[in-house]
Amino acid sequence: DVKVTQSSRYLVKRTGEKVFLECVQDMDHENMFWYRQDPGLGLRLIYFSYDVKMKEKGDIPEGYSVSREKKERFSLILESASTNQTSMYLCASSFSPPARDNEQFFGPGTRLTVL
Amino acid sequence: AQSVTQPDIHITVSEGASLELRCNYSYGATPYLFWYVQSPGQGLQLLLKYFSGDTLVQGIKGFEAEFKRSQSSFNLRKPSVHWSDAAEYFCAVGAPPRGQNFVFGPGTRLSVLP
Repeated sequence: DVKVTQSSRYLVKRTGEKVFLECVQDMDHENMFWYRQDPGLGLRLIYFSYDVKMKEKGDIPEGYSVSREKKERFSLILESASTNQTSMYLCASSFSPPARDNEQFFGPGTRLTVL
Repeated sequence: AQSVTQPDIHITVSEGASLELRCNYSYGATPYLFWYVQSPGQGLQLLLKYFSGDTLVQGIKGFEAEFKRSQSSFNLRKPSVHWSDAAEYFCAVGAPPRGQNFVFGPGTRLSVLP
């Protein structure tokens, strides 16, 4: 079974704090993704990475950065947390094309509250 | 760029009734299509996917979906809903040939009445 784990299920931080969200996958997937999920908006892609040390911006990268030093680990960083970053954060991973089985596997999510 | 709409924000059905959740996409060619389910407090689980070939796709938990190119749709169906199907359902589109970048619809919340 593919396992995608996230370091915390619930996190409460204060405005201005630096926040690290960690994600680890055990299937040797090339691709890893960070989404945020908000009611009525579905999932929105923040950043993704298709290889170690590689990253690409998604649809809403502002206020976030990422780090991928090892293939299995993808970190999302909120440099200075703000209240509008209160959300559910989901990590996912997948194989790269030409693998046809490139569905994304998701972690359980981290619910972040910024006070 | 691709986009996805799910016209129904919230659907309520009785247990045992049939179900159809709608998904429409916008993309210039045949995309990769997915349905995911999210139970409360959980991550997303893949129900089924379409890449090519047979346009009727079978998935887990008794779900199926039909790709209709002429309507740009990929509707999810189940003949008889169980109370445990209450969840949020997301349709997603991936664009070949890279395919790994998905666009998700806003989701449809399903409630099941006993």
